[in-house]
Amino acid sequence: EAQVTQNPRYLITVTGKKLTVTCSQNMNHEYMSWYRQDPGLGLRQIYYSMNVEVTDKGDVPEGYKVSRKEKRNFPLILESPSPNQTSLYFCASSYGGDEKLFFGSGTQLSVL
Amino acid sequence: QKEVEQNSGPLSVPEGAIASLNCTYSDRGSQSFFWYRQYSGKSPELIMFIYSNGDKEDGRFTAQLNKASQYVSLLIRDSQPSDSATYLCAAQGGKLIFGQGTELSVKP
Repeated sequence: EAQVTQNPRYLITVTGKKLTVTCSQNMNHEYMSWYRQDPGLGLRQIYYSMNVEVTDKGDVPEGYKVSRKEKRNFPLILESPSPNQTSLYFCASSYGGDEKLFFGSGTQLSVL
Repeated sequence: QKEVEQNSGPLSVPEGAIASLNCTYSDRGSQSFFWYRQYSGKSPELIMFIYSNGDKEDGRFTAQLNKASQYVSLLIRDSQPSDSATYLCAAQGGKLIFGQGTELSVKP
């Protein structure tokens, strides 16, 4: 089954404790991206990757890191989480560019 | 700043009626337009896309685009309770910009 898999589904952590949210897709997509979704603000792009070893900032990259060492994986790293990073996070992928995105099931992150 | 605007709703329609969801965008360079459906607690799912002025129909869904007015709409005919969800409009002109979404409630 074609899918984008995110883990974990829910995560509660404390300020400053490094965490990684994993994302993997099995569709051989070149493009992958991370979004956060907040009430009243909609979906905002954090980082994206056009291909392996090619990443770039989206609209709200501060406090986040990403890497793309393999085509299928695109982890999101929060080196020192803060409460304002409490949000619903989605990983997405597509064949090319940010059109026709396939989204993962989401990660609800709470930073206390 | 490039924006995509949607009425947040909620938009409430009776079962069997036509639901009309509207979206405006500020970037005149936008070329591609998308509608995503997001059920409560779930991830967005692409349901329609349109590139050219006019209408595009897929089953009960019709996407309408008017580039001169910078206006995109989604019509859902014969609305069903299972259509109750938040509908996200997105415009792409160099980068994809999402609107905040319109919550649709279809009452039996």
